Amino acid sequence: ETGVTQTPRHLVMGMTNKKSLKCEQHLGHNAMYWYKQSAKKPLELMFVYSLEERVENNSVPSRFSPECPNSSHLFLHLHTLQPEDSALYLCASSQVAVSYEQYFGPGTRLTVT
Amino acid sequence: LAKTTQPISMDSYEGQEVNITCSHNNIATNDYITWYQQFPSQGPRFIIQGYKTKVTNEVASLFIPADRKSSTLSLPRVSLSDTAVYYCLVGDSYGSARQLTFGSGTQLTVLP
Repeated sequence: ETGVTQTPRHLVMGMTNKKSLKCEQHLGHNAMYWYKQSAKKPLELMFVYSLEERVENNSVPSRFSPECPNSSHLFLHLHTLQPEDSALYLCASSQVAVSYEQYFGPGTRLTVT
Repeated sequence: LAKTTQPISMDSYEGQEVNITCSHNNIATNDYITWYQQFPSQGPRFIIQGYKTKVTNEVASLFIPADRKSSTLSLPRVSLSDTAVYYCLVGDSYGSARQLTFGSGTQLTVLP
């Protein structure tokens, strides 16, 4: 238990669906991150939020839309995804951004059909 | 941007000490060295972080020579549950997030 929770743990969605991934951290941290991990590939940093402001967007397609309503919650809104977007989506938090000491959630396994 | 190089895989036996080395020849003055552990289908877990010499916690030790161009993660007396991918990251917390790359890591397999 890292103090970072993610829901749902598994999600199957069609290419025309809209869904959201949720992340919550109970560590009192000020920074939150979204990562994507595809099969046999390294983690890819997608977004970084610091004090609810987005500070990094690593050329992520607009079909992924992050939202950080407060420093404890982070969402990733998904719409019109492609099968190649199937991956493990990981949320992490840290005391400040950008920190190399991050605490990760268990991830959401997303399958796009 | 400090690039890291680690072995792709390593095998060990239960009860042995395992040392995983990471090369980072162009490490910058402000860079720290951080190691993570990841089990399949789980998020990485922060293990240890250091700047120079030796750092030890309840999980591992991190050895960093004076030139800081490499580092060694040492896991004492491994068990089967230590089978995982281990990542070495090098960077500065005040730098850009674009430096924050996990790479392919080292797959450690602990055999009975």
